[in-house]
Formats: sequence, C-alpha cells, structure tokens
Amino acid sequence: DAEITQSPRHKITETGRQVTLACHQTWNHNNMFWYRQDLGHGLRLIHYSYGVQDTNKGEVSDGYSVSRSNTEDLPLTLESAASSQTSVYFCASSYYRDRGLYEQYFGPGTRLTVT
Amino acid sequence: GIQVEQSPPDLILQEGANSTLRCNFSDSVNNLQWFHQNPWGQLINLFYIPSGTKQNGRLSATTVATERYSLLYISSSQSTDSGVYFCAVTQGGSEKLVFGKGTKLTVNP
Repeated sequence: DAEITQSPRHKITETGRQVTLACHQTWNHNNMFWYRQDLGHGLRLIHYSYGVQDTNKGEVSDGYSVSRSNTEDLPLTLESAASSQTSVYFCASSYYRDRGLYEQYFGPGTRLTVT
Repeated sequence: GIQVEQSPPDLILQEGANSTLRCNFSDSVNNLQWFHQNPWGQLINLFYIPSGTKQNGRLSATTVATERYSLLYISSSQSTDSGVYFCAVTQGGSEKLVFGKGTKLTVNP
C-alpha cells in the first residue's frame, strides 16, 4: 500500500549538532509539508514543497531547512539543534480531491529531544 | 492570519454518550479537514469537508463556510474515540493547513 513514513521515530541529540529527519511517501504526491507539534500551540507549518526543486518557508522556519531532489522525499534539517526545537515533527503530503482542493495525509511523526 | 478556534478544549464523556465539537474560523476558507490524534500520537483523517455534511459510521461533520464554522458529531462514544480532535483549514490558493489547538476527548467506561 502507498504510504508516508518518517525516520527515525525517536531521536535524542545534543545542542549544536546537525540533525536530519527523513520523510518518504510512495503516493507520488507533488506537495509535501513539515509541521511541528508543541503543547499549547497545536501543529505549526515549518516548510513545504510543491514539487522537485521547490521549497518554501512556513510559519516557524527559523533554524530549519529542506531540500527536494525527488518526488518521494522531503528531508528536514536542523542546522544547529537548540533546546527550543524539542518537539514532535510530522511530515505530510497532499492528495488532489476536487475543485482545485487537496487533502493532506500525515506520517507517524518523529519525537526529537535536544539536550 | 486566519484564526481557528476549537471548543470545548476538554471534554469528558461516559461511553455511549453523544458529543458535538465546534470549530470556528475568522475568515473565509476554501477547505477544512478534521483529524483525530489517537493516544499514540498518530493523526488520522476523519473528514475532508469544505462544505456540507458527511457521515462515516458514528461520526458526522457539517461545515457552514458562509457562517465560518464546522461541527463534528460523535454518537454513542467508545473508549477508542479518546484522543485529540483537530480541525484545520486552508485559504485562497494555498494548501497550507492552519490548525486549531484541538479538543481533548476522554471517554470513560
């Protein structure tokens, strides 16, 4: 079955280290998204991509970067991890429904702890 | 930007009870989705509902876009319904979802 996967599912890292979270989807969706979830804030958009070589900043993009070299993958990189980036990270991709509208589906999440 | 408010923030029910969750949004939207985040953290799609009413088993949803709200109905609640329910919207030509802060539902046996 087509799906969206994230790895690792859990990660502990130290302040200042570079960390990359992987997201892979087999639906051949053009549109992919990264969100973070924190208590009291719900889910907030970090970066998104509408296709290969396309990347855009979301609401909380500082300290994060993405690259899109193929349709299936959108890795999220924390250039220099900070304690404020301790969070649960969700990747999503969107499926075209109708009338120009899309429905997003989410991966299982990655719990990142920065010590 | 658009504000998405969900109510109530917390809800405790006994098994078998019915409930209504509300999502208000501050501006016009072109899409709305409801999600259930289960106790293991997984986000599960419930409804894609930019307008109108849909039903799926014990769950149904109604979106009245002109009045800027959506309702999620849960009937005959079960313990497996526990978790956090989110609504999320998109505006204009954007596909970026803006989430509410969720309603935490606890269903007791």
